[in-house]
Amino acid sequence: DIQMTQSPSSLSASVGDRVTITCRASQGISNYLAWYQQKPGKVPKLLIYAASTLQSGVPSRFSGSGSGTDFTLTISSLQPEDVATYYCQKYNSALWTFGQGTKVEIK
Amino acid sequence: QLQLQESGPGLVKPSETLSLTCTVSGGSISSSSYYWGWIRQPPGKGLEWIGSIYYSGSTYYNPSLKSRVTISVDTSKNQFSLKLSSVTAADTAVYYCARSPMTTTVEVYWGQGTLVTVSS
Repeated sequence: DIQMTQSPSSLSASVGDRVTITCRASQGISNYLAWYQQKPGKVPKLLIYAASTLQSGVPSRFSGSGSGTDFTLTISSLQPEDVATYYCQKYNSALWTFGQGTKVEIK
Repeated sequence: QLQLQESGPGLVKPSETLSLTCTVSGGSISSSSYYWGWIRQPPGKGLEWIGSIYYSGSTYYNPSLKSRVTISVDTSKNQFSLKLSSVTAADTAVYYCARSPMTTTVEVYWGQGTLVTVSS
């Protein structure tokens, strides 16, 4: 089975900072990679699919990159409303796998 | 617009079987372009894939749950279902149904989730 390793598990950054979260697959998954934002008590919200396609309505400060095994979610300028836990998900087959999550806080 | 709606009991007794159904509207579950699946999230924890199904009935399960999980599809009702047997308190979670595409031109899509509590 393909494992997804997400890092860091948590981070604290200042408003306006550039934030980067990485997700590494144990085998190549092409670009079948999604990123989600989850706030407490809420349904995970799709931010990025196909590794780099911004979901409709998602602010342009969010971007995704990567292909194969290494992927990155970048928040170009962290805002207070971005406080949340972020997850990656691979879906290159019927066997879906999630990263462990990254909790983002404001310093 | 595609909608996935989970339904089923919100409370299940220990050792019994949890049963949930996902009703798909705004799209056909018989499309050859998607997998349909279940995901869960225990309180305060991360996301866990439970299993997936193709419209033909082919199933794929998380090895850690495989012995207790059955996923089935009813194309006539545009629904797919989850059964998880011999539940314990550790199975208390929000359960989501979802659709993943076989191409990268379409997004992954989730339902709103339903909380299932295992308690006597």
